[in-house]
Amino acid sequence: GAGVSQSPSNKVTEKGKDVELRCDPISGHTALYWYRQSLGQGLEFLIYFQGNSAPDKSGLPSDRFSAERTGGSVSTLTIQRTQQEDSAVYLCASSLVSGNQETQYFGPGTRLLVL
Amino acid sequence: RKEVEQDPGPFNVPEGATVAFNCTYSNSASQSFFWYRQDCRKEPKLLMSVYSSGNEDGRFTAQLNRASQYISLLIRDSKLSDSATYLCVVNYVGDMRFGAGTRLTVKP
Repeated sequence: GAGVSQSPSNKVTEKGKDVELRCDPISGHTALYWYRQSLGQGLEFLIYFQGNSAPDKSGLPSDRFSAERTGGSVSTLTIQRTQQEDSAVYLCASSLVSGNQETQYFGPGTRLLVL
Repeated sequence: RKEVEQDPGPFNVPEGATVAFNCTYSNSASQSFFWYRQDCRKEPKLLMSVYSSGNEDGRFTAQLNRASQYISLLIRDSKLSDSATYLCVVNYVGDMRFGAGTRLTVKP
């Protein structure tokens, strides 16, 4: 079946511009996560959605970052006034929560380069 | 203290070697445990879940010690294709915590 998809796969932008990243989770998955991974580094948690609500926004690095999810499905991560330090791979993952069990499946990521 | 800590690595081993990765976690309420594999410039992919009784999948064996809050992954008869970064993941529903990963390189 279809996995998690993300678009665009690569994005090059100029400092100060806004960018919007999209994630299509696996159909039926209620939970959706955004992570950021810089080159050679581990995963940095950004935000978590359960349905359309975001109970945990603690990982967003600044108020330039925002995310929304509509219809319990597609999510967009928006970065306003991008900075060079925003350059990273942005990974989305979705999961189906069943009781106490939850397994995440990742999309291929969006590679963002801010010049 | 990090919530999930892994051996820093890197591990460089010859083909056919047995290699073990260790991971400790700090949240005693954690409920699910996993090992993910991440190839260079690729997304993490689920390798295996880790169950309290320990579980095996071919050359891979995972173990969990809840009392010590410790998880391990053993790879036997390592192959060149096992070269990757291995991520320890600990979950309490809605709160997935990833270790920084341990890089493994298997050499001919």
